Parts: sequence; structure tokens; C-alpha cells
Amino acid sequence: NAGVMQNPRHLVRRRGQEARLRCSPMKGHSHVYWYRQLPEEGLKFMVYLQKENIIDESGMPKERFSAEFPKEGPSILRIQQVVRGDSAAYFCASSETGGYGYTFGSGTRLTVV
Amino acid sequence: RKEVEQDPGPFNVPEGATVAFNCTYSNSASQSFFWYRQDCRKEPKLLMSVYSSGNEDGRFTAQLNRASQYISLLIRDSKLSDSATYLCVSRDDKIIFGKGTRLHILP
Repeated sequence: NAGVMQNPRHLVRRRGQEARLRCSPMKGHSHVYWYRQLPEEGLKFMVYLQKENIIDESGMPKERFSAEFPKEGPSILRIQQVVRGDSAAYFCASSETGGYGYTFGSGTRLTVV
Repeated sequence: RKEVEQDPGPFNVPEGATVAFNCTYSNSASQSFFWYRQDCRKEPKLLMSVYSSGNEDGRFTAQLNRASQYISLLIRDSKLSDSATYLCVSRDDKIIFGKGTRLHILP
């Protein structure tokens, strides 16, 4: 039973490009959460999704960021027109029931140059 | 007021010593609490859940004080491998992480 899979592990983008981060939850988990961790900072909640639904996006920046969790396939966090301040580690977590049994993926480290 | 507050440390503790850190939370409606451990450049991993009655797992003891809205983690007989950042977590309608307390165990 594979854990939460995130890819790519490392992503380098030039300013203005788009970044797509993928997260495949653990088998049987239908709740997905995205967090961002800036250097020397804590984890900041971004968005909570279930299949085909965004449950809570209160932590998402109003512009350039979007997330989806389609019926088939991984959850995608999309950042358009990236800026240097978007450089961070992005972690995805999944759970079977909302809020319990969080398991994190290894994260995607985004570097914007 | 921040939702979950922790002393960032670092706590520099000799091997074999006992170390304790606390965390305070602001939302009295928070339902569940956890301690996570995060190693440098790794993902957070669940260390233990926290209950009002206390929760002990080997050398680790976690305690919740709802009246004062704080959570504690005690590590006995500390090992070099305990060096990490410890994240305090509360849950109401979403999970909120503290910024973490850095612990360095010194040989």
C-alpha cells in the first residue's frame, strides 16, 4: 500500500512560468490537503479537497493559485505566472476521514529562478 | 493571536536528559490535538495523538490541558535521533500547525 505520492520532488521554474504539482493520495483516502512551507516557517494550510469538490480554500492566495481533485487521477495544485516568493516546499496530505489519520507525501520543492 | 503557538527554540539538550515543550491554542472549539515530527527537508510524520487523560508511548508523553488551552510533550532519556522539529497541531474544521519547536540533542 503505497503512501501519499507527490511528484515531482523538485521543480525549477522561471518567473512567469506555470508550476503543476501532483499528489496521489493513499489508497482508500478521499480527502486531500495541500500545505505550503516557506524556509524556516511552519506549515500553512492552503486547500482541502474531496473528489471533485473544494471543501475549504481559505488558505489559497486569491490569484494565480488553483487546485483540483478530479474523479480520476491525482490532485493538482497549479501556480500560474510563478514569482520568486512562490519558492517553497509544498506538501500534500491525505486522510480516509476528514481530519484524522493524516499522512503526508514527501513534498515538492519548488524553486523559482 | 496566533491559532497555535510554540516556542521556536532551539532547545539544545544533552543526550539522556528529559526535555519538555508546550504549545498553546486559541480556539477553544478545537476537537483534536497531535504532535508531529519533522526532520530537516522531510515531510511531517505523526508522532502521537494528545488526550486529556494523557498519552504515553515509550519515552514520549503527551498531555492536553483544555482549561488552560495548552498541550505538552515530554521526552525522557533523549536520544541523538530525537533531534528534529516538533509540530503542535490542533483540529477544528481544519488542521492547524504550529511553526514548530526545534530540538537538538547534544552528544
